[in-house]
Amino acid sequence: EDQVTQSPEALRLQEGESSSLNCSYTVSGLRGLFWYRQDPGKGPEFLFTLYSAGEEKEKERLKATLTKKESFLHITAPKPEDSATYLCAVRGGGADGLTFGKGTHLIIQP
Amino acid sequence: ETGVTQSPTHLIKTRGQQVTLRCSSQSGHNTVSWYQQALGQGPQFIFQYYREEENGRGNFPPRFSGLQFPNYSSELNVNALELDDSALYLCASSLSGVTDTQYFGPGTRLTVL
Repeated sequence: EDQVTQSPEALRLQEGESSSLNCSYTVSGLRGLFWYRQDPGKGPEFLFTLYSAGEEKEKERLKATLTKKESFLHITAPKPEDSATYLCAVRGGGADGLTFGKGTHLIIQP
Repeated sequence: ETGVTQSPTHLIKTRGQQVTLRCSSQSGHNTVSWYQQALGQGPQFIFQYYREEENGRGNFPPRFSGLQFPNYSSELNVNALELDDSALYLCASSLSGVTDTQYFGPGTRLTVL
């Protein structure tokens, strides 16, 4: 059974204070690891797909990295508008749907 | 390019009733997946439709059922509603055979009283 654990559950940062969110996973035959951003009451917004260990992707202040057991979402010099819940999900070789973690609730204070 | 749309936005039902939620997939996508997201939790996979057939299911009882239409739009039906069915229901579309990335709609908030 595929499993995803995200840490921390919540993180409060000052504007400009860089940090990283962690996503640990166990999966049989990784077909993809996905990062989404979710604002309250809204659907998840796609950020990145990573397929193999060593892969990195960047978008504005966000950078996602992948190893064989975990993924990190690095946030550089965050702004208040980066406040949201960040969800990590995996798709395993034997699965049709995504398995999500509970998310990290990120708050960036001005 | 049109994104994933869902209707209605909000819905209130009473225990024992039946509900139908609707989803239009992103332009060009052929696969639709449905998820249930309880408050404070990550989305949980309900099922997936491809070529108008269910081709994958999560740990949900048979009273959760669905349809996919020739234009790739989809419906989620839930019978005999229970209080624990209160959640945000999310639809996601993807292009099978090309990418595993799923794009989500805004969701339907279902409240069961």
